[in-house]
Amino acid sequence: NAGVTQTPKFQVLKTGQSMTLQCAQDMNHEYMSWYRQDPGMGLRLIHYSVGAGITDQGEVPNGYNVSRSTTEDFPLRLLSAAPSQTSVYFCASRRGGLSYNEQFFGPGTRLTVL
Amino acid sequence: DQQVKQNSPSLSVQEGRISILNCDYTNSMFDYFLWYKKYPAEGPTFLISISSIKDKNEDGRFTVFLNKSAKHLSLHIVPSQPGDSAVYFCAGGSQGNLIFGKGTKLSVKP
Repeated sequence: NAGVTQTPKFQVLKTGQSMTLQCAQDMNHEYMSWYRQDPGMGLRLIHYSVGAGITDQGEVPNGYNVSRSTTEDFPLRLLSAAPSQTSVYFCASRRGGLSYNEQFFGPGTRLTVL
Repeated sequence: DQQVKQNSPSLSVQEGRISILNCDYTNSMFDYFLWYKKYPAEGPTFLISISSIKDKNEDGRFTVFLNKSAKHLSLHIVPSQPGDSAVYFCAGGSQGNLIFGKGTKLSVKP
């Protein structure tokens, strides 16, 4: 199993550009989520999904869109990038329910917005 | 308002000694607490967890203690090894989601 994969690993955008961060998992996990990590801020939940076709907002959803058309994929879209979105983005997945222990993280995407 | 607080940004410990990482929380609805370990340029990896109805959980060199009345938990690593050098995140779980603290960078010196 590849686990949780994220592409790209690095990305530089100009203010106002749009892009999609890709996330895929091959563990048949129902729950998937996106976090951002900023220096001195820990990991903050952006959006999450409890299954295909179901998404919800986390702690810091503004400026981001998500969709979940398949169990495997959970892309994160930046519609109009801003410098405040410069961060490291992590995708994570786990089984459904309250199985907190089994949350697996991807390697991250480092995004810089100029 | 920070629901999970890790007040020590860094901790330095000698190899072989005990490392104690602390975490405080304010949300009484957390039903699970977890510790994650993160190396540079990698995603966090799960280390150990504790249910809110327990006060201690052990896994090898790692023990987590929970004091619900004080809303405090701690991670003990004994003995500490240089490979334990990483950032450690405390997280509280509620309604299926995790709230993370800001992390503590542990340095274990040979």
